[in-house]
Formats: sequence, structure tokens, C-alpha cells
Amino acid sequence: GIQVEQSPPDLILQEGANSTLRCNFSDSVNNLQWFHQNPWGQLINLFYIPSGTKQNGRLSATTVATERYSLLYISSSQTTDSGVYFCAVANSGGSNYKLTFGKGTLLTVNP
Amino acid sequence: ETGVTQTPRHLVMGMTNKKSLKCEQHLGHNAMYWYKQSAKKPLELMFVYNFKEQTENNSVPSRFSPECPNSSHLFLHLHTLQPEDSALYLCASSQVVGQNNEKLFFGSGTQLSVL
Repeated sequence: GIQVEQSPPDLILQEGANSTLRCNFSDSVNNLQWFHQNPWGQLINLFYIPSGTKQNGRLSATTVATERYSLLYISSSQTTDSGVYFCAVANSGGSNYKLTFGKGTLLTVNP
Repeated sequence: ETGVTQTPRHLVMGMTNKKSLKCEQHLGHNAMYWYKQSAKKPLELMFVYNFKEQTENNSVPSRFSPECPNSSHLFLHLHTLQPEDSALYLCASSQVVGQNNEKLFFGSGTQLSVL
């Protein structure tokens, strides 16, 4: 099946800093989503972005499908950004329902 | 309020017990999912229902039994579980139109401990 690798596995920032999280995948995809899991376990959908660039406030994401990677940018980080960020993809030609998740990036933002 | 509600939030059960997890989505979606999140492992898809029909069963042991009575409700019936089944169980929903399956929305999860 498709492989999803996220980097870095852990990231510690001071409040106000910017960061870039990366998601590499091993095959062509027709679905890519970024999620944030807060310290209480709630998973929030940040972006549906199988290709192109999107922005939502301090967050933006870019997927270059032909090169099999996606980037999540967090600007002016806040303590509430702490948690685990997951990338999930669905393989083109595979089941439309089956998202494969990466292991995540654990982000800690210190005040 | 995420639009996907799961109950209970926490559950402790013995290996001989029978319990059920409940999920309800208020988003008008036509697909619902059960995922399992264990410590140190990526989220694993367990079951998918589209228009109440099961479309995916990801080789899940028979001690987990899903039920989808309508497109808004999803249950996961549990019986004779093992301690290694302890995990966070997450329900999700999405809207599928043809080949397009867009954003997945998750509930808050049920933290299950099997003693």
C-alpha cells in the first residue's frame, strides 16, 4: 500500500515562530488532508488539498502531487497550535474511502 | 461542537463484557467510518459505510461488529475484547459524490480500556 512519511517527528517552537511540516507519499494520490489533533484527542480537519495551495488564517498548505509531497506552514505560532499534525492520503485508483495516515508531527509551542 | 458526536467518552470493560460505542453525525454526510488509534501507531481504518452499506472492512477481528441503521448513526458493538484492543476509537463522516470524497470530520473519540 501507499506509504506516508511525515517530518520532523517532533518540533519545539517558541511562541511567534514560523514552521514547516512535510508529508511525503510513495504513490499518486487523489485525496490529501491535513489534521490537527489537540492534547485532548480531538482531530480537526485543517485542509483538503490533493493539489495546489490553500490558506486559512495563519495556516497554509501546498501539495505538489507530481513530486509526491505536501507542506503545511504555520506562521506566528501560538500555544494553542500545540498537538499532533497528521497528513492522510488516498491512493489514485485505490479505494476512495481509504485514507492512509502518517505517524504525525508532534508540535510543542512554548510561551 | 464538531458535528460528529461520540458516546461514551471513556469506557472501561472486562474481557467478558459486551458494550457498544455510538456515533451520530449532524452534517448530512453519506459516509461514516470507524478508526482505531493506538499509542505509537498511525490511525487505522476499521470500517466504512456509504449509504448504510458497508464498503470497507479492513480485516478487523469479529469481536468488533459495526452497525449502521441509517446514514446519521453508526455503532460499534464490542464483545470478548482483549487488552491489546485498548485504544482511542474515532468515528468520522464525509460526503462522497461519485469518485470525490472530500473532508473527513472526526468525533472526539471513545478512550477504551480493556482489563
